[in-house]
Amino acid sequence: EVQLVESGGGLVQPGGSLRLSCAASGFTVSSSFLSWVRQAPGKGLEWVSVIYSGGSTYYADSVKGRFTISRHNSKNTIYLQMNSLRAEDTAVYYCARELPGGYFDSWGQGTLVTVSS
Amino acid sequence: QSVLTQSPSVSGAPGQRVTISCTGSSSNIGAGYDVHWYQQLPGTAPKLLIYINNNRPSGVPDRFSGSKSGTSASLAITGLQGDDEADYYCQSYDSSLSGSVFGTGTKVTVL
Repeated sequence: EVQLVESGGGLVQPGGSLRLSCAASGFTVSSSFLSWVRQAPGKGLEWVSVIYSGGSTYYADSVKGRFTISRHNSKNTIYLQMNSLRAEDTAVYYCARELPGGYFDSWGQGTLVTVSS
Repeated sequence: QSVLTQSPSVSGAPGQRVTISCTGSSSNIGAGYDVHWYQQLPGTAPKLLIYINNNRPSGVPDRFSGSKSGTSASLAITGLQGDDEADYYCQSYDSSLSGSVFGTGTKVTVL
């Protein structure tokens, strides 16, 4: 069974940093496409970043230069390093597996990041 | 930022049919990229509802169907039921952003 479990969320001050983790089971992250998608309170879904099986990474303009996606193959886990956090980064962050057809078939339960002083 | 536009809300009585539209542009849906749909119940993660325009994952009732034409796509729900009350999002790929894009979301209310 495919499962994704996020962790690492919490309260952080503006300008601070946080690293989110997404532990996968039931499949291998190194041969998969994995994305981070966020949802601000009461708002819609926003794609944040993707790491492809070949290692290529892409980011939404809103986080480019501040966030870094990576993976640890032996831990079967992906990460999102978030630096220079802003109030507008406050959201539930989901990791999701993307299948080659371009759709997200499996989602984690999400982890809440709150950026506030 | 959402580059796919959806109507904010639709409503219908039990048993009725409702449709949700998703309008994109020449760099996403209009460029031929596929459209996918998700259902999000309150307080839960999104769930894949339709993939590659008109395909249903195992377990999704055939009351849900999708279509795509030009720069738009739509999701239809027939035989509306109370547990269909949720937020629905379309998603595609955008070549100018080099990443996925989601619609603005539509809240479905069962009267």
